[in-house]
Amino acid sequence: GAGVSQSPRYKVAKRGQDVALRCDPISGHVSLFWYQQALGQGPEFLTYFQNEAQLDKSGLPSDRFFAERPEGSVSTLKIQRTQQEDSAVYLCASSLALNSHEQFFGPGTRLTVL
Amino acid sequence: GQNIDQPTEMTATEGAIVQINCTYQTSGFNGLFWYQQHAGEAPTFLSYNVLDGLEEKGRFSSFLSRSKGYSYLLLKELQMKDSASYLCAVRDQRYGGSQGNLIFGKGTKLSVKP
Repeated sequence: GAGVSQSPRYKVAKRGQDVALRCDPISGHVSLFWYQQALGQGPEFLTYFQNEAQLDKSGLPSDRFFAERPEGSVSTLKIQRTQQEDSAVYLCASSLALNSHEQFFGPGTRLTVL
Repeated sequence: GQNIDQPTEMTATEGAIVQINCTYQTSGFNGLFWYQQHAGEAPTFLSYNVLDGLEEKGRFSSFLSRSKGYSYLLLKELQMKDSASYLCAVRDQRYGGSQGNLIFGKGTKLSVKP
């Protein structure tokens, strides 16, 4: 595909469930970012990868959040024991290099925790 | 701390010009970005400034003053399809910390009226 894809687009989870959100970046893009966007807010940085290396996870809100990119392409963001405050849109973005001018965003996964 | 301020909402008339301001205070600076986000969609890149001055791109222009921590996005010949949220973002660059991730403002919701 031409752009960043994410799946699922929508996820409803019961409080306490684990969820896994997938991101397929643009082929060849070295850098991959995860952001969390609450309703009416701007995206907030969670973590980023350079190839398979997770170089910064300072934005992850708790140890229930875990991200991986084992082969340097597809990435998964996992949230364990979901809570209501985890409800948000999770955006993935990729860029050709770390300081490329443009990050290309995927459509996001809207997570609702009941 | 990291702080990016922009107006919450603006209204303008089709065919007019609108300026959306953004002020920032961040620990590092490696460029300022403007993104457009339609409701329920991914942010899309509009502009990038790293040096002071005006960057023009069709109906959109963006200005940066690093000494003042100030930027604006100028939209000319407004069209109904320009109704969206406009996100100001600073790329952070801190020694020993993350490089490349974007710090976003909360966004300015622009409504274009006929």
